[in-house]
Amino acid sequence: NAGVTQTPKFQVLKTGQSMTLQCAQDMNHNSMYWYRQDPGMGLRLIYYSASEGTTDKGEVPNGYNVSRLNKREFSLRLESAAPSQTSVYFCASRTGEGSPLHFGNGTRLTVT
Amino acid sequence: AQSVTQPDIHITVSEGASLELRCNYSYGATPYLFWYVQSPGQGLQLLLKYFSGDTLVQGIKGFEAEFKRSQSSFNLRKPSVHWSDAAEYFCAVGASGSYIPTFGRGTSLIVHP
Repeated sequence: NAGVTQTPKFQVLKTGQSMTLQCAQDMNHNSMYWYRQDPGMGLRLIYYSASEGTTDKGEVPNGYNVSRLNKREFSLRLESAAPSQTSVYFCASRTGEGSPLHFGNGTRLTVT
Repeated sequence: AQSVTQPDIHITVSEGASLELRCNYSYGATPYLFWYVQSPGQGLQLLLKYFSGDTLVQGIKGFEAEFKRSQSSFNLRKPSVHWSDAAEYFCAVGASGSYIPTFGRGTSLIVHP
């Protein structure tokens, strides 16, 4: 049972480049989330998908877009990367309201 | 809206000593409460959760937490810390009717031999 799988694990981008972070879960969870983690800031929610077919903005959505491709997959896209988007990105999923989150191992992104 | 405060950014303990990490939340009704642990380079792993019932909950790795409604607290405890417990610990709250769990900023645990 793989749980939540994120790819890639590491990425270096130049300012202005675009990329898509991939996330897939095999637990049949309804809800999926993208967080970014920065030193001293804890986890900040970028976007979430409460169920297949829906997406909503979180606390820090600017500069990002998401796609809930199907129940398993939830991707995060940076259209024009900026140095302020240097961070560790975590995908998470859960069954629904009140249930605990299951996290992937993260993608470490550096934008130069 | 719910909020979570972890007052301690860093905690240093000696191996074998007891541990208590503090978590205070703000929410009107009974919340769903969680503690997660993050080892370096890893994602967050669930330690324990409180939904209802017994206010003292047991988790993995010998951790426990106590829900105190009167103090709006959900402190994490361990009677004897091991060097492998050095990690970042996050408290989180979920609210009925909300799909957005809220995380504290985390407490970094340092364990001295």
